[in-house]
Amino acid sequence: GNSVTQMEGPVTLSEEAFLTINCTYTATGYPSLFWYVQYPGEGLQLLLKATKADDKGSNKGFEATYRKETTSFHLEKGSVQVSDSAVYFCALLSNNFNKFYFGSGTKLNVKP
Amino acid sequence: NAGVTQTPKFQVLKTGQSMTLQCAQDMNHEYMSWYRQDPGMGLRLIHYSVGAGITDQGEVPNGYNVSRSTTEDFPLRLLSAAPSQTSVYFCASSPNPRTHGFYNEQFFGPGTRLTVL
Repeated sequence: GNSVTQMEGPVTLSEEAFLTINCTYTATGYPSLFWYVQYPGEGLQLLLKATKADDKGSNKGFEATYRKETTSFHLEKGSVQVSDSAVYFCALLSNNFNKFYFGSGTKLNVKP
Repeated sequence: NAGVTQTPKFQVLKTGQSMTLQCAQDMNHEYMSWYRQDPGMGLRLIHYSVGAGITDQGEVPNGYNVSRSTTEDFPLRLLSAAPSQTSVYFCASSPNPRTHGFYNEQFFGPGTRLTVL
């Protein structure tokens, strides 16, 4: 079956620190992979996506590379800001294009 | 465009009551879905629809009904609310993944926070 596993949070960093949030997946075929962000009191927003192996998605300084050999899609940012504090969800779109699967979410707290 | 709208934002029910959570989108998206978000469990798919008149079950469909009579609307019905249904509910829509290929994303509504006493 399809599933997404994320590192548990919360992750607490100081401003300008390097961020990594791990995400691994299980899927048949070749899913598309996504990172969504949820700010307090809001719905989820797409942060970045990748559609095939070795693709790199990037947005707002965040990056993630689709690694088929390790079935991973880790989220990274070189220098986090207080405004990056949110919950981050890794997700995949199944190969039959019918369902999205989400990880449990990782809360990021960035302190000034 | 208003995007995906959900009503109400907050709701408190007593066990056994019924209610309908409303979801509408104005982007002409074929694909719509309902998720519940619980602490430590991420988003779990309840039901989804790939077009008007077509619905299917997700991971956790028990206790919920859906119908899709128009492209725009996808209401979620709780027939007899239970405390286990206390959660935050999100509606989402996207173009049909099958016709729009891999370049797809879901657009989420702001959520409905439901408490069942």
